[in-house]
Amino acid sequence: AQSVSQHNHHVILSEAASLELGCNYSYGGTVNLFWYVQYPGQHLQLLLKYFSGDPLVKGIKGFEAEFIKSKFSFNLRKPSVQWSDTAEYFCAVRPGGGNKLTFGTGTQLKVEL
Amino acid sequence: SAVISQKPSRDICQRGTSLTIQCQVDSQVTMMFWYRQQPGQSLTLIATANQGSEATYESGFVIDKFPISRPNLTFSTLTVSNMSPEDSSIYLCSVEGLVMGTDTQYFGPGTRLTVL
Repeated sequence: AQSVSQHNHHVILSEAASLELGCNYSYGGTVNLFWYVQYPGQHLQLLLKYFSGDPLVKGIKGFEAEFIKSKFSFNLRKPSVQWSDTAEYFCAVRPGGGNKLTFGTGTQLKVEL
Repeated sequence: SAVISQKPSRDICQRGTSLTIQCQVDSQVTMMFWYRQQPGQSLTLIATANQGSEATYESGFVIDKFPISRPNLTFSTLTVSNMSPEDSSIYLCSVEGLVMGTDTQYFGPGTRLTVL
């Protein structure tokens, strides 16, 4: 069975700082990878996804993530965070061709003015 | 993406009672799922709601405790039966396989359940 690790549980940054949230998964086969975001008081939204092709994927609101197969990682990045990026971020993995999404424990990001 | 709604948005229930949560999508979808997010934890898949047949449950979840219905391609219900305080969670439905053929899960707003 697949599993997902998000090592940073709480991150506090100042506006304009750069962001990198770690995500590692364990699964031996082809995977689809996702980052979801949950803003305060809102429901879970898709930020970006990777299925195949260019390992650097771009999502909404200036976020991007890089799939490094050799490291089983799919880290989320943003060069300059904004106060409005304060949210909880979830990494998720699904076996290629499968339906079951396995989520990491989430990273709570707080951006201070 | 589709518009996904859940009812109720929140509820406070007494131990031993049952609550049925509804999930409605504004377009037909192939797959519907139910998740649980316990306080301070991540999302855990409860089951896949199959249209016209019994749901497929994940390890640790059983039909007697979490009966699920999916009468058509836009609607599903999850019942939390014989509730205890340990069932206090956010319950979310998600959908996949929209008309436009996406293979990504989209989530409803969730139902926040508190069991006293």
